[in-house]
Amino acid sequence: NAGVTQTPKFRILKIGQSMTLQCAQDMNHNYMYWYRQDPGMGLKLIYYSVGAGITDKGEVPNGYNVSRSTTEDFPLRLELAAPSQTSVYFCASSALGPEQFFGPGTRLTVL
Amino acid sequence: GDSVTQMEGPVTLSEEAFLTINCTYTATGYPSLFWYVQYPGEGLQLLLKATKADDKGSNKGFEATYRKETTSFHLEKGSVQVSDSAVYFCALSDRGGSARQLTFGSGTQLTVLP
Repeated sequence: NAGVTQTPKFRILKIGQSMTLQCAQDMNHNYMYWYRQDPGMGLKLIYYSVGAGITDKGEVPNGYNVSRSTTEDFPLRLELAAPSQTSVYFCASSALGPEQFFGPGTRLTVL
Repeated sequence: GDSVTQMEGPVTLSEEAFLTINCTYTATGYPSLFWYVQYPGEGLQLLLKATKADDKGSNKGFEATYRKETTSFHLEKGSVQVSDSAVYFCALSDRGGSARQLTFGSGTQLTVLP
């Protein structure tokens, strides 16, 4: 099993550009999550999904969108990138229990 | 709402020293508690967990006991190694939440010197 995979690993965007961060898991987990991690801070939840076709906002959803068309994939879309979205983004998944499994992260810089 | 407060870092220790990283929490229900570890350039990995009061989670020489009376889940290791250098996050999952959401502390950077 590959677990949770994320692409790309690094990306630099200009202000106003858009991009999609990809996340996939091969553990057949129903629950998937997107977090952002700012320097010296813990992780903050952006969006989550409890199953294909169902998504909901987390603590910091503004400026982001998600979709969940399959169990495996949970892409995060940034529209009109802003410097405040410079961060490291982590995708995670979980089964019925509370333990979450994390991907390696995407480091995004908006200039 | 739920919150987790962690001991501020960074923490620097010599190899074989004793480690304690304090963690306290606020939750409305009966949460599960976790310690995650993040090695440089990597994602978070579950280190240990405890799901009810007085449970002790342990892994790789690390231990933490779920103390409901003090709302704490302090991480300890008797003898740290250079390879333990990482950022450690305390987290909770409130069982009342439908999506198994995790609330994280701000993380504690540990550096172990040879």
